[in-house]
Order: sequence, then C-alpha cells, then structure tokens
Amino acid sequence: SYELTQAPSVSVSPGQTASLTCSGDKLGDKYACWYQQKPGQSPVLVIYQDSKRPSGIPERFSGSNSGNTATLTISGTQAMDEADYYCQAWDSNTRVFGGGTKLTVL
Amino acid sequence: QVQLVQSGSELKKPGASVKVSCKASGYTFTSHAMNWVRQAPGQGLEWMGWINTNTGNPTYVQGFTGRFVFSVDTSVSTAYLQISSLKAEDTAVYYCARDGSGSNDFWGQGTLVTVSS
Repeated sequence: SYELTQAPSVSVSPGQTASLTCSGDKLGDKYACWYQQKPGQSPVLVIYQDSKRPSGIPERFSGSNSGNTATLTISGTQAMDEADYYCQAWDSNTRVFGGGTKLTVL
Repeated sequence: QVQLVQSGSELKKPGASVKVSCKASGYTFTSHAMNWVRQAPGQGLEWMGWINTNTGNPTYVQGFTGRFVFSVDTSVSTAYLQISSLKAEDTAVYYCARDGSGSNDFWGQGTLVTVSS
C-alpha cells in the first residue's frame, strides 16, 4: 500500500519561514494537498492540487510537489499557524494521508 | 455555503453497532463523492474509503473491510457510516469529508465514537 512520510515535529520562530515536507514514491505523479488541524477541530484544507490555495487561506501558505517530495511552505509564520499539518496524496485510487507534522511556533 | 453536519457522540459497548450520519447542504449531493476518515485519540488521520454518492458504490481501504459499511440516502442528502461488532480499538473521531478537486475540500465536525464496557 502507498505510504507518505512526514517529520513528526518542526519548530519555527515567529516571522520566519516554515518548510514541511511529505515524501512518497513518485509523489510528484499524484496531486498533493495539505490540511491544518488545530486541537479539537476538524482539518482545514490549506493547499490542494500541489500548489493552489482555497478561498480564505492566507497567501503565506504555498505548496510544491516534484519527484518524491511535496512541500508546504509558510512564510512569515504566525503564532496562529501552530497546529498539526497533514499531507495527502491524491489520484484516482488513492487518498492516503501522511502521519502528520506538529508545527510549533516559538 | 457548503456544510456537512454529522450526528452526535456515541457511547457503545463492545459488540454493539453504531451508525454515524453526515448531512450535506449547500451543493448538489450527488455531484461529489464522500470520504470517511478516522482519527484515533492522539493519532493522525486515516483514510477509510469513499462512496460514490451517485451510484451508492463504496470503496473500502484495507483494514476497513467487513465491519464497516458506507451508504447514502440521496433523498435527504445524507451519507452514513455503520460499524458493527464494535471493539475498543474503534474508539475514535470519525469524519466525513467531501471529495473535491484533488482534495477533501469540506469536512464535517466529526463524531466521537467511544467503545467501552
């Protein structure tokens, strides 16, 4: 079965850039999307189709996907961005999630 | 606006069954498939499978076959997840999530199912 790997945790200082990665075999051949989940809340889509932002998602969130790695970049990270982030691989038969990365802003 | 409203928390004994509902509004229900996602306490998101809301045809991921059943009632724009022969390890929050353009673009609020004697 298809698997995605994410680092368990990433720390970033306020105002700096956070880069979260997601690795999977030929992930670049699939769509990657990213979700933000805060404690006690449902996940929220922040990036879809590798690099597109849904309406209402701040411009500081961006994404890319090539080769075996998808990346979520948060520029000018704010305290409100502290959350768990999950990547998901998407094609006609796959909707697999990565294990999630806990982003700490300190 | 698109909304997915799930049924409330459930407390069940081992061996019982539970049926979680997910009522959609704000869009044409049959134009998007519905995914089901499990999140065990303190754990990550796990894709359980999805259902074609137009045909009612379900697809289950390995590990979610046999005791798990996806269904829809298009007359009330509602998707259902039924779990039978509940076990303690089924304790989790279950989410429905609309299948969008290469993503789960809208999510329900989640339903906590607790299995305990």
